Amino acid sequence: DQQVKQNSPSLSVQEGRISILNCDYTNSMFDYFLWYKKYPAEGPTFLISISSIKDKNEDGRFTVFLNKSAKHLSLHIVPSQPGDSAVYFCAARRGAGSYQLTFGKGTKLSVIP
Amino acid sequence: DTAVSQTPKYLVTQMGNDKSIKCEQNLGHDTMYWYKQDSKKFLKIMFSYNNKELIINETVPNRFSPKSPDKAHLNLHINSLELGDSAVYFCASSPMGRGAPNQPQHFGDGTRLSIL
Repeated sequence: DQQVKQNSPSLSVQEGRISILNCDYTNSMFDYFLWYKKYPAEGPTFLISISSIKDKNEDGRFTVFLNKSAKHLSLHIVPSQPGDSAVYFCAARRGAGSYQLTFGKGTKLSVIP
Repeated sequence: DTAVSQTPKYLVTQMGNDKSIKCEQNLGHDTMYWYKQDSKKFLKIMFSYNNKELIINETVPNRFSPKSPDKAHLNLHINSLELGDSAVYFCASSPMGRGAPNQPQHFGDGTRLSIL
């Protein structure tokens, strides 16, 4: 039962263009969402997060959008750089006070120079 | 200055053996986690400890036993290893307390366990 779904296993984008990574969730109890970035042979590193009371959070080139009614979030990277090539995981937290994260399968982003 | 470190990075062993993976964090966090990333690439929580106390225990075979000697260490011991245990195991840590659920978890680089 996949409660967090990243339906695109991979995405290729030209350097300088926008990368859009999508994530859908099914559990209405999720109230906090995070994006992690993972390089090969390394652990995931935190990128950006958003609370369910917001619909947008921005940090430099990275913006996360949340559409609660559609149970959908997306990560926008503008402009995309070759160093952004990695696997991106969407994660969701089950309610206030919970420390447990549910992860999606990840989307492999390739930024072509 | 590694924040969350796991050893070993690679572990190749035979079915039926017992093995341990060690994890240490120097971030001053009081909550630590073990995740398993299987062949389907899902990262799934296995256990979580807060100040040496078990707070999350997902449905994991009892061959897996976490041990937390202090809040900076969380080790994972696996008995009678099976082929299906082959995976990458990640340790993570985060602070706990007011506002802490919004603090991200910091991950180690993983231990790739291969069962022959």
